[in-house]
Amino acid sequence: EIVLTQSPGTLSLSPGDRVTLSCRASQSVSSSYLGWYQQKPGQAPRLLIYGAYKTFPGIPDRFSGSGSGTDFTLTISRLEPEDFAVYYCHQYASSPKTFGQGTKVELK
Amino acid sequence: QLQLQESGPGLVKSSETLSLSCTVSGDSISSYSDYWGWIRQSPGKGLEWIGSIHYSGNTYYNPSLKSRVTISVDTSRNQFSLNLSSVTAADTAVYFCARERGYSRPFDNWGRGTLVTVSS
Repeated sequence: EIVLTQSPGTLSLSPGDRVTLSCRASQSVSSSYLGWYQQKPGQAPRLLIYGAYKTFPGIPDRFSGSGSGTDFTLTISRLEPEDFAVYYCHQYASSPKTFGQGTKVELK
Repeated sequence: QLQLQESGPGLVKSSETLSLSCTVSGDSISSYSDYWGWIRQSPGKGLEWIGSIHYSGNTYYNPSLKSRVTISVDTSRNQFSLNLSSVTAADTAVYFCARERGYSRPFDNWGRGTLVTVSS
């Protein structure tokens, strides 16, 4: 099983800040099979990025993904008020599909 | 627009079977490439993939749950279902259904989720 470890656990930030979230895999993940989700309280996760760097339709271009192998990054170029949420990385390269434990982006 | 809606009991007794259904609207569950999955979320274990099914009946399950899980599909009702047997308090979670646009694809569309509590 591929274990995904996200860091940091929580980020306290202000609107307008640049955000960088990390996801490290216990073994190499093909870039085609790494995604990122945003989840707000009481809602389902929403797909932001797939294939490590491809933005899902309808997602603002301030969200971007990068990385390869075991290290992946989600970047929010300029934090908007609606971006305060929990972010999860997800690998779907091999079974079982797994998720990271999440990074919470909170208002400072 | 694709919508998924989970339904089923919100309370299940320990050692019994948890049964949920997911109704798909706005698209056919019989789309050739699509898989339909179940994911759960609990405070203790975060997001956990349970298993997925293709309209043909092909399934794949998380090995950690495989002995207790059955996922089935009813194309006539555009629904798929989850049965999880011998539940314990550790199975208390919000259960989501979701679509995958292929076998090794992310979950691109999710239901709102339903809370299932296992009571003793």
